[in-house]
Parts: sequence; structure tokens; C-alpha cells
Amino acid sequence: QKEVEQDPGPLSVPEGAIVSLNCTYSNSAFQYFMWYRQYSRKGPELLMYTYSSGNKEDGRFTAQVDKSSKYISLFIRDSQPSDSATYLCAMKAGGFKTIFGAGTRLFVKA
Amino acid sequence: SAVISQKPSRDICQRGTSLTIQCQVDSQVTMMFWYRQQPGQSLTLIATANQGSEATYESGFVIDKFPISRPNLTFSTLTVSNMSPEDSSIYLCSVDWGSDRGDTQYFGPGTRLTVL
Repeated sequence: QKEVEQDPGPLSVPEGAIVSLNCTYSNSAFQYFMWYRQYSRKGPELLMYTYSSGNKEDGRFTAQVDKSSKYISLFIRDSQPSDSATYLCAMKAGGFKTIFGAGTRLFVKA
Repeated sequence: SAVISQKPSRDICQRGTSLTIQCQVDSQVTMMFWYRQQPGQSLTLIATANQGSEATYESGFVIDKFPISRPNLTFSTLTVSNMSPEDSSIYLCSVDWGSDRGDTQYFGPGTRLTVL
């Protein structure tokens, strides 16, 4: 079993839809949870990060962490074609190596 | 946010040759990482290159194939030696400033390598 599981997709949605991206993990020591966005032919860009449990909102993006279920989510409201990218979840137990999910490819159709 | 740059941005190389990729950061950082990302795949950590110590390689990666230098706190190089087509990939450097910046990693733009 991988430490971090993420459905690779692809996920295709119409413009304006609410997108839900998810990851599950097995290591209960993880405390830092990140979402990266990667456009084609570019490096990953840090989108959101959360320490421990709870929600964090930034514009159209909301990150949720449920440590009891070992489950994290990224919600994108009012999705735009410019949101089309690969989204990677990542997590770490402070001071240790960051573990990345496989990435979910998202396509938002105009 | 800090700037992380890589050179070259892309290259096409012949089998058997070597390529050195440079990573420059605009502020000092101890923890630096080199990743490989093959087409359609996630990130694979090659090695951790902390200044003042030898690079630590992950399973499946060896120093003879991927020598790394880390001469100071803002610069590192990764060399891909004796290249074969299987080395065609995107190579990414990444840094972690620790608790100063949320204990998260930031990535450079990547170097797209094609080996013929």
C-alpha cells in the first residue's frame, strides 16, 4: 500500500462546476498537507498548505484535512479553463521527507 | 515568494553524453532536493542535497550516475551522466526553508531533457 493514494483521473468538468480532488494516506504522523498545481511543461506550484486538521480557504480554493479519516480534499469553486492542470497532494511529518501523490489531471471545459 | 531558477530549461542530448543542470535560489536555504518526473508520472526524489554534507541518494539512484554539487546555500548542480533514452524526463530542483516558510517545498521550473 502506498503512503499516499491519489486518483490520477483524468477528471473533466464543465466551466463553473465545483471540483473535488482527494487523497488518502496511511501515516498518522503526517502533520503538513499541501496541494500543488502543475501546468503542462512547468514545475509544481504550491497552491495551498495546511497544518494539522481543519479547513483553509483562499479565494476559490478550499483545502480540508480530516486526520481521523486520513483524508484530504481540495475544492475548486466556479472552475475555470485556466484551472486545467495536474493537482498533486503532498504531505509530511515535520522534518521528514515530503511524500507526493500521483497527481490528478483536471480538465475544465469552456 | 522566493525565486528558484534552473538552467537549461530544456535540452536534447546524444546517448552517452552528460548534462549538468543548475539550480539557483535567490535566498539562502539549507534543504535542497532534486526530483525526476517522467511523462505522465508523479515526482520521484533522486537525492537530498544539504549544504555542508554529502548528497543523500534515494534507492535506485547512485552518485556515479547523478553526481550533485552544493557549493553554497543558494546553488546546486545535478549532472546526468552517460545518458540513455531512459533518462529523458523533467528534472526539478526543490527547496524547503523549514518553519520560516511553512515547512513546505517550493519547486523550480524544471529542465526538460530528451536523450536521443
